Amino acid sequence: NAGVTQTPKFQVLKTGQSMTLQCAQDMNHNSMYWYRQDPGMGLRLIYYSASEGTTDKGEVPNGYNVSRLNKREFSLRLESAAPSQTSVYFCASSGVTGGGSGANVLTFGAGSRLTVL
Amino acid sequence: SQQGEEDPQALSIQEGENATMNCSYKTSINNLQWYRQNSGRGLVHLILIRSNEREKHSGRLRVTLDTSKKSSSLLITASRAADTASYFCATENTGRRALTFGSGTRLQVQP
Repeated sequence: NAGVTQTPKFQVLKTGQSMTLQCAQDMNHNSMYWYRQDPGMGLRLIYYSASEGTTDKGEVPNGYNVSRLNKREFSLRLESAAPSQTSVYFCASSGVTGGGSGANVLTFGAGSRLTVL
Repeated sequence: SQQGEEDPQALSIQEGENATMNCSYKTSINNLQWYRQNSGRGLVHLILIRSNEREKHSGRLRVTLDTSKKSSSLLITASRAADTASYFCATENTGRRALTFGSGTRLQVQP
């Protein structure tokens, strides 16, 4: 089982360049998420998509855009990268837990390490 | 802002000892979850406790939840070197499906 796949794993950008982080899941999950992880800060939610066709802002959406391309894929775009966006980015997805409890349990990808010079 | 604050930030113990880490949160929750992250990897779900539960067990893991104090603890019994990782609490807050994560506890288990 592939689970959640993120590409690329590593990327170095110059200030002002643009790039897109790709994420795909093969678990038929409805919801998908983008988080960033910075040292000592835990994970902070950038954007999420509760279902295909919807997206919502999280805690730190500024400087990012997202596209829920279909049920499987959720991409994160940096239009004009800044050094403050140097971070490790995690994509995650969630479905309904077993037994129909409705709890939201996340499955994470391996992360994408982005450095902006 | 972070929902959860974890304590301690770092913990070093010997193999065989128990490890306890704590999490506090600020708002009403549907459930609280604990995740583990090995160095350079993604997070992996460990255990979930619902707001109407007080204690949950899974193998060597024991989680408690005190909603009156807005706090939770994760106990790992008989720790192993392979338990070395960072541990994060995450809350599913009432009215919002996306999880909010704490800042994590780095656990080092010395063989």
